[in-house]
Amino acid sequence: ELKVEQNPLFLSMQEGKNYTIYCNYSTTSDRLYWYRQDPGKSLESLFVLLSNGAVKQEGRLMASLDTKARLSTLHITAAVHDLSATYFCAVDMDGLAGGTSYGKLTFGQGTILTVHP
Amino acid sequence: GAVVSQHPSRVICKSGTSVKIECRSLDFQATTMFWYRQFPKQSLMLMATSNEGSKATYEQGVEKDKFLINHASLTLSTLTVTSAHPEDSSFYICSAGFWGQTIWAFFGQGTRLTVV
Repeated sequence: ELKVEQNPLFLSMQEGKNYTIYCNYSTTSDRLYWYRQDPGKSLESLFVLLSNGAVKQEGRLMASLDTKARLSTLHITAAVHDLSATYFCAVDMDGLAGGTSYGKLTFGQGTILTVHP
Repeated sequence: GAVVSQHPSRVICKSGTSVKIECRSLDFQATTMFWYRQFPKQSLMLMATSNEGSKATYEQGVEKDKFLINHASLTLSTLTVTSAHPEDSSFYICSAGFWGQTIWAFFGQGTRLTVV
């Protein structure tokens, strides 16, 4: 059974600081997604990482994937209040078998990020 | 970009009634869609895989007779919660995979179901 674990689960940051959210998963996969969820809303796609060593950056967020370590990270640079949200990583289960359908995901527990002034 | 649209966004129903939720892929064809459920302050859990033209595949512990899934076309999947009970109150979200220049799994807006 695929397990996806995030840490920390709660993160309180000051504006301007840097921090990293970690996502570990239990079985080899080369498809990993990061999403943002605001309260009462659905998921907003942030990044998709498709190969070992993949690095994607958008604004103050940067995601990376190490398939050998079964680890993805989401790094936050110079946090601002607007980044406050819950962040989920998710592993594509069909990626485990080299499948060609996409989007069957197992999610981490989520990291609740609060950025304070 | 590819968009998945879900309707309704909120629904309140009486215990014992049925509720239908629609999920549409707006600008791409989706032979496979997925239905997730999210309880308050929890993560998303996959309920079932909706397959166009064939039966849905349900995850362990999900009652197929309670959560009826129909995927009659390449752009529409529906989830019907039958004989709803208060414990079915949750946030239901559909998704569809898309591969173009890259691969994405897009999510609908979600449906907040409250059973009273």
